[in-house]
Amino acid sequence: SQKIEQNSEALNIQEGKTATLTCNYTNYSPAYLQWYRQDPGRGPVFLLLIRENEKEKRKERLKVTFDTTLKQSLFHITASQPADSATYLCALDEGSGGYQKVTFGTGTKLQVIP
Amino acid sequence: GAGVSQSPRYKVAKRGQDVALRCDPISGHVSLFWYQQALGQGPEFLTYFQNEAQLDKSGLPSDRFFAERPEGSVSTLKIQRTQQEDSAVYLCASSGNRGPTDTQYFGPGTRLTVL
Repeated sequence: SQKIEQNSEALNIQEGKTATLTCNYTNYSPAYLQWYRQDPGRGPVFLLLIRENEKEKRKERLKVTFDTTLKQSLFHITASQPADSATYLCALDEGSGGYQKVTFGTGTKLQVIP
Repeated sequence: GAGVSQSPRYKVAKRGQDVALRCDPISGHVSLFWYQQALGQGPEFLTYFQNEAQLDKSGLPSDRFFAERPEGSVSTLKIQRTQQEDSAVYLCASSGNRGPTDTQYFGPGTRLTVL
């Protein structure tokens, strides 16, 4: 069966360090993968999309890698700040073709400690 | 407003009651999605509209769930005869018409509690 795994435990890191979050999947062949941020009481906010033929994508302090052989994506936040504390969700394309049908992971809660 | 809005933000229902949840997407957005998010879980796809056409309702958990978007803008998710397992946050998202990688913009959600 299809499965998406993200670190179920919260990740605590010191301010200024690099946070690395993992998204592993099985029985998917996604054309793209996305990362979202979700704050308590709010809907997810789109951060980055990476396609299957892209190895790496960057946006400001964010970097995403996508390894279709390992079936894994890594999400990095460099020079982390307390404002980066949130839950981060990965989402995989289900290959519906004409529209964006994605399956979300359970999310990893990141806490950046001042 | 510029974003997706949902109402009510919180809804408490007694088991067996019917509820209606409203979503106002970003003006001009063709695509509209409904998701259900249980506590500690990621959002789960419920249904998808392109304009007024409901093209995918494969995620609706039972025939007690019904969604509509009659004029291709505002959408309503209706749950009949609510059960305790329906307690969750219901999220709405909209996107433009640039294809399957177009960004989805989420509303704040409606937290439904069924007693």
